[in-house]
Amino acid sequence: AQKVTQAQTEISVVEKEDVTLDCVYETRDTTYYLFWYKQPPSGELVFLIRRNSFDEQNEISGRYSWNFQKSTSSFNFTITASQVVDSAVYFCALSNREGAQKLVFGQGTRLTINP
Amino acid sequence: DAGVTQSPTHLIKTRGQHVTLRCSPISGHKSVSWYQQVLGQGPQFIFQYYEKEERGRGNFPDRFSARQFPNYSSELNVNALLLGDSALYLCASSLASWGTNYGYTFGSGTRLTVV
Repeated sequence: AQKVTQAQTEISVVEKEDVTLDCVYETRDTTYYLFWYKQPPSGELVFLIRRNSFDEQNEISGRYSWNFQKSTSSFNFTITASQVVDSAVYFCALSNREGAQKLVFGQGTRLTINP
Repeated sequence: DAGVTQSPTHLIKTRGQHVTLRCSPISGHKSVSWYQQVLGQGPQFIFQYYEKEERGRGNFPDRFSARQFPNYSSELNVNALLLGDSALYLCASSLASWGTNYGYTFGSGTRLTVV
């Protein structure tokens, strides 16, 4: 069975601080994909990144960076110099190659950036 | 181009009633998936349809059903509504059956309240 755990339910930081959102996953598949989505109050899930199981390179996109470590089954997300607009609920998700395009989501982390 | 469109945006129903939710995918996208997001939790997979055929079903009772039309739009039907069906229902579209190569684009959802 597939499972995604986001142990941090809520995080609150002051603007310009760096913040890391943790994601730990479980899967028996050798080919799988990991995602991060942002959910603002409007409800729409906004795609941030997709990473496949064969690519352990870390990725940086502006103030966002992702650290994928298969050895610890983790796919953590760091926001550098956080801004108030980063406030949202963030979800980590897992999908395997076979079958339906089923995304298994974690419980989400509510991030609040205070001015 | 329009994104994924869902209607209605909000809905209030009484226990025991039936509800139909609608989703229009991004133009050219042939795959539609439905997710249920209960307040405070991550989305849970309900169905995936590709080329009008059901390609996957999550762990939901038979009261939940869906279909996809020739124009690739989709309907999610829920019969005999229960209070526990109150949730945000999200639709996601993708270019192909296996969305991980192309990503999933989510709509803003339908907020269903059962009273």
